Amino acid sequence: GAGVSQSPSNKVTEKGKDVELRCDPISGHTALYWYRQSLGQGLEFLIYFQGNSAPDKSGLPSDRFSAERTGGSVSTLTIQRTQQEDSAVYLCASSPLLGGRTEAFFGQGTRLTVV
Amino acid sequence: GQQVMQIPQYQHVQEGEDFTTYCNSSTTLSNIQWYKQRPGGHPVFLIQLVKSGEVKKQKRLTFQFGEAKKNSSLHITATQTTDVGTYFCAGPGNNAGNMLTFGGGTRLMVKP
Repeated sequence: GAGVSQSPSNKVTEKGKDVELRCDPISGHTALYWYRQSLGQGLEFLIYFQGNSAPDKSGLPSDRFSAERTGGSVSTLTIQRTQQEDSAVYLCASSPLLGGRTEAFFGQGTRLTVV
Repeated sequence: GQQVMQIPQYQHVQEGEDFTTYCNSSTTLSNIQWYKQRPGGHPVFLIQLVKSGEVKKQKRLTFQFGEAKKNSSLHITATQTTDVGTYFCAGPGNNAGNMLTFGGGTRLMVKP
C-alpha cells in the first residue's frame, strides 16, 4: 500500500481480555514507532524499532504491553489483561531514515475502548 | 535523554489573528520537523528544517530554526478555521537510531 496501514480501526474489548493491534509500515521503511494518544492529549511514545537493532522499549507503560516486528516489516502491539485506562488511540508511524530524511508517516490509528 | 518542549499547550484565537507555537530542545538538533494533526485525524508531516537560522514558508505558515539549533517556531498569519488542530514539533534523538522525539503539541482553536 501507499501508506501506513493499521488494523483494526476500532476495537472494543472487555476489561481483562488481551488485544493485538497490527501495523503495516510503508515498504522499505526501517524505522517503526508506536504511540498512544488519549483524547485531547499529546503523543505518548511506547516503542521504537530501527532495522535489526534492539527496540527501544522505554515508553511501554507496564509489562502488560509488548510489541514485535517480524522480518523488519509488520509490527504487532499486544496488550494483555486490558484495563480501562488503556482506552486510547494507538498510532503507528514508519520512517525511511535514508539520506537524512527522517519524517514519520502515521497510520490512521486504532481506537481501543476497554469496557 | 533529549527532551522537546512546546509552548503554549493550548491557544484560542479569533479568526484572522496570528498564532505562534514555540519548540525548545534540551540538546542541539540536526533537524526539526513540524506536524499537524486535525481533530479526529493523525499527525501529518508539514516540513523539515535543517540549517541554523533557516526560515521556510508555506503560504501563511512560517517556520524558523534557531541559530543554535535548539529551538524552533511556527507562525501562522491571519488564522483560518481550517488551521484548527494540534501542531507538533519533533527532533531526532542522539541515539544511533535517530529516533524522533515529539513535543507535547500546541492545540490551536480558531473562533469564526
